Amino acid sequence: DQQVKQNSPSLSVQEGRISILNCDYTNSMFDYFLWYKKYPAEGPTFLISISSIKDKNEDGRFTVFLNKSAKHLSLHIVPSQPGDSAVYFCAAQGTYKYIFGTGTRLKVLA
Amino acid sequence: DTAVSQTPKYLVTQMGNDKSIKCEQNLGHDTMYWYKQDSKKFLKIMFSYNNKELIINETVPNRFSPKSPDKAHLNLHINSLELGDSAVYFCASSQEWGAYNEQFFGPGTRLTVL
Repeated sequence: DQQVKQNSPSLSVQEGRISILNCDYTNSMFDYFLWYKKYPAEGPTFLISISSIKDKNEDGRFTVFLNKSAKHLSLHIVPSQPGDSAVYFCAAQGTYKYIFGTGTRLKVLA
Repeated sequence: DTAVSQTPKYLVTQMGNDKSIKCEQNLGHDTMYWYKQDSKKFLKIMFSYNNKELIINETVPNRFSPKSPDKAHLNLHINSLELGDSAVYFCASSQEWGAYNEQFFGPGTRLTVL
């Protein structure tokens, strides 16, 4: 029962182009969503978040979009850089729940 | 100056043994967590403590017992290790439970059970 899913296990993008990572969730009780980035042999690090009362949050090159009716969020990285190559996890938070997605491996090609 | 630290980084042991993983955070956070990342790379929460009190206890075998001597430490003790326990275990902390804030993760402990 995977309540938070990232259907693309991997994604390759050319440097300078836009990377779009997607995440779907099933539980409408989630009210806060986060994206984390993970490099090999390290723990995940927080990237950006969004509350369910918003539909967009922007921080530099990173923008997260939330579509509550579709139970879908996405992370846009513009422009993509080789240092962005990592595994990206979305996470959904609700009361006494904190669920991570399955991860998407992003490779930015120089 | 490491915010969330875990020891050991690698742990190789035989089936049936008992082992512990230690976690410490120096961020002054109230809430700490243990996660397991299995071979499929799923990151699943196991336990969460808020101010030394257990608040999340997911469906985890009772061979796993967390212990929080103070709010800066959350250790994980595993009894009678099984092959399926092989995974990477991450400790994390956040400022307070229930508020919308991010978690800070340790570097992980790779446990291999032979």
